[in-house]
Amino acid sequence: GAGVSQSPSNKVTEKGKDVELRCDPISGHTALYWYRQRLGQGLEFLIYFQGNSAPDKSGLPSDRFSAERTGESVSTLTIQRTQQEDSAVYLCASSYQVDYNSPLHFGNGTRLTVT
Amino acid sequence: TQLLEQSPQFLSIQEGENLTVYCNSSSVFSSLQWYRQEPGEGPVLLVTVVTGGEVKKLKRLTFQFGDARKDSSLHITAAQPGDTGLYLCAVLGGSEKLVFGKGTKLTVNP
Repeated sequence: GAGVSQSPSNKVTEKGKDVELRCDPISGHTALYWYRQRLGQGLEFLIYFQGNSAPDKSGLPSDRFSAERTGESVSTLTIQRTQQEDSAVYLCASSYQVDYNSPLHFGNGTRLTVT
Repeated sequence: TQLLEQSPQFLSIQEGENLTVYCNSSSVFSSLQWYRQEPGEGPVLLVTVVTGGEVKKLKRLTFQFGDARKDSSLHITAAQPGDTGLYLCAVLGGSEKLVFGKGTKLTVNP
């Protein structure tokens, strides 16, 4: 089937507004990851899911950030009261399972701009 | 402190030249992955290396995992404009999350 799908592809929002980013992983992939990539930078880990559980939320920058996953499928990343420093590309990836034999398959990201 | 240090940060070369980029750490890893990211897209896995001293070739790309499994290199022979992109190394960090370096941004000019 299709690869990892993220929506929207671009989002412009005003400072202080809430935004919700969506990720549809590859069917059957149990692991799902969220990363943030600031302009010209590498990937900053945010959170990952094994099934619907999030064993590691340590990368979430603040309590304004939250994520959930349902049905071992779709995941949403919510940013409340957005700030300008939240502007970045948010990348989602999925893998069959969490180990080195299971490569991550990335979506094309959501480019978030906070004005 | 960065778990993975990649160098150089930027590299701009002419078509046909050879180049090597590096991924270094003070930690030992059971495996290491290399990804390439093109503008506007997500990273794509190139290779996984798992054995110290291992060398893997992918067409004009040669990947090596250090004997001590603390570092890795990527060598490109006769670079082409299509090789342009951000090259990222990644390892499984604590709690099984994949941790990335900051990457090397390669530009190959025609």
